[in-house]
Amino acid sequence: NAGVTQTPKFQVLKTGQSMTLQCAQDMNHEYMSWYRQDPGMGLRLIHYSVGAGITDQGEVPNGYNVSRSTTEDFPLRLLSAAPSQTSVYFCASSYGQTGKETQYFGPGTRLLVL
Amino acid sequence: KQEVTQIPAALSVPEGENLVLNCSFTDSAIYNLQWFRQDPGKGLTSLLLIQSSQREQTSGRLNASLDKSSGRSTLYIAASQPGDSATYLCAVRGDVLTGGGNKLTFGTGTQLKVEL
Repeated sequence: NAGVTQTPKFQVLKTGQSMTLQCAQDMNHEYMSWYRQDPGMGLRLIHYSVGAGITDQGEVPNGYNVSRSTTEDFPLRLLSAAPSQTSVYFCASSYGQTGKETQYFGPGTRLLVL
Repeated sequence: KQEVTQIPAALSVPEGENLVLNCSFTDSAIYNLQWFRQDPGKGLTSLLLIQSSQREQTSGRLNASLDKSSGRSTLYIAASQPGDSATYLCAVRGDVLTGGGNKLTFGTGTQLKVEL
């Protein structure tokens, strides 16, 4: 298994540009989520999905959209990038949502918005 | 709102020393607590998961304890090695019955350096 994969690893955007961060998992996990990690603030939940076709907002959803058309993929879209979205983005997945499952994290995407 | 604090923010120890990392949380209505390891430029790797009904979990040289009533967890690393150098994060999952769902609240981490 490749586990959780994320592309790209690094991206530079100009303010106002849009882009999609890709996340895929091959473990048949129902639950997927996106976090951002900023210095001194820990990881914060952006959006999450409990299964194909179902998404919900996390702690910091503004400026981001998600969709879950398949079990494997959970892309994160930035519609109009802002410098405040400069961060490291992590995708995570787990088998279910009972709380007993370990979450598996991708390697992260480092985003710089100028 | 749940808040998770990790002290110290950074720690440097000589190889072979036993050490303890601390994690505290403000809302004791948690479902479980996880300890993660993060290497520079990498994602997070789960080390130990403790259910709210458990007191501790062990894996090799790692032992994590949980005192839910006091809102504290510790990660004990025995006989530390340079390869243990990384940032260690704790995260709590809220109780589904209280609306915590499957969401993790993370601390900001302790950056550990084990020196030769």
